[in-house]
Amino acid sequence: DAGITQSPRYKITETGRQVTLMCHQTWSHSYMFWYRQDLGHGLRLIYYSAAADITDKGEVPDGYVVSRSKTENFPLTLESATRSQTSVYFCASSEPRQSYEQYFGPGTRLTVT
Amino acid sequence: AQRVTQPEKLLSVFKGAPVELKCNYSYSGSPELFWYVQYSRQRLQLLLRHISRESIKGFTADLNKGETSFHLKKPFAQEEDSAMYYCALYNQAGTALIFGKGTTLSVSS
Repeated sequence: DAGITQSPRYKITETGRQVTLMCHQTWSHSYMFWYRQDLGHGLRLIYYSAAADITDKGEVPDGYVVSRSKTENFPLTLESATRSQTSVYFCASSEPRQSYEQYFGPGTRLTVT
Repeated sequence: AQRVTQPEKLLSVFKGAPVELKCNYSYSGSPELFWYVQYSRQRLQLLLRHISRESIKGFTADLNKGETSFHLKKPFAQEEDSAMYYCALYNQAGTALIFGKGTTLSVSS
């Protein structure tokens, strides 16, 4: 039971570079989410997706791009990384028709130098 | 506006002491409220949902609409309860969770 996975788990990149964080779930959940976790801010929603090819902005979408061509994948791209994007990124999925519970991935720790 | 407030960044208690993690919310209508927990080096996981009214790992939470609160309580804290606790609220559209800033619970012997 793979559940929800994220890759890479750790990433160091330089300012201005493009970086993509991957998220994959095996439950066929319709909803997927990206959050960032920062000290003093808790978890903030970046983007979410209600189904393949349907995405919507969350609280802090600037500087991020998402796509969802397949139900099971929801990559998050930082087009030109900035130091303020240094954070821990969590992907989550849910199936509201079954339960309101969101299932979280293990997180990706991203450092932008 | 929809908002979740957790006023304490850190709560330190001794083993065996009662614990109350505070959560207040702002919402129009009937809220869907949750407590999530993140143990060290582990992913976030659901602890409680207010509708289920279950007791998980000895924790309970009661929705008080008059005080717009959903405090998490445990009568006797254990060292393994040390973790980050997030209170969360489903947004009005029912599409995403709004999280509080989290409270770190530290239980020492």
